Amino acid sequence: AQTVTQSQPEMSVQEAETVTLSCTYDTSESDYYLFWYKQPPSRQMILVIRQEAYKQQNATENRFSVNFQKAAKSFSLKISDSQLGDAAMYFCAYGSSNTGKLIFGQGTTLQVKP
Amino acid sequence: DAGVIQSPRHEVTEMGQEVTLRCKPISGHDYLFWYRQTMMRGLELLIYFNNNVPIDDSGMPEDRFSAKMPNASFSTLKIQPSEPRDSAVYFCASSFLSSTDTQYFGPGTRLTVL
Repeated sequence: AQTVTQSQPEMSVQEAETVTLSCTYDTSESDYYLFWYKQPPSRQMILVIRQEAYKQQNATENRFSVNFQKAAKSFSLKISDSQLGDAAMYFCAYGSSNTGKLIFGQGTTLQVKP
Repeated sequence: DAGVIQSPRHEVTEMGQEVTLRCKPISGHDYLFWYRQTMMRGLELLIYFNNNVPIDDSGMPEDRFSAKMPNASFSTLKIQPSEPRDSAVYFCASSFLSSTDTQYFGPGTRLTVL
């Protein structure tokens, strides 16, 4: 069975600085997708970024980028120029092409200090 | 686009009562997912549908839980009878082409069973 591990329950960053959130996963599948979702206090789950495992190029979305290391099964999220609105819980998720399921990590709470 | 719509946003009920949660997916999305979020267990997939047909219900906790999708624009998750341990936030999500496509989440229903 696939698992997703986020080893940092909490992180903090100064406004305008850069922070990296870690995520590792375990799988024997070759075809899968990886996601980062953001959950602010409003509890709405918002997609931050998506990565297809067959693509070597790391996905980017404005200030958000990932470091996808397929061999190491690592999928970290980098937030550049952090803003107060980035404060939220961030979930890493694994999407299985075989089962069709999304498996979420336990989440990392990000605090942004002014 | 209105996004995924869930109702009610909050539900407080007493143990033993029937609870029905409702979801309207994004128009044109063929996949619909029901998740439960708790502090202890994080985000768990309960069941998902493709073209109104349940594909995987292995995450449904027990027979007290049932889900239906009578048409492409409506789904329900029913708990009967409800128990205090069912207290959680229940999310509905939908996606377009496949179960590994980006999932768009509704705002969630916070259920409290007294």
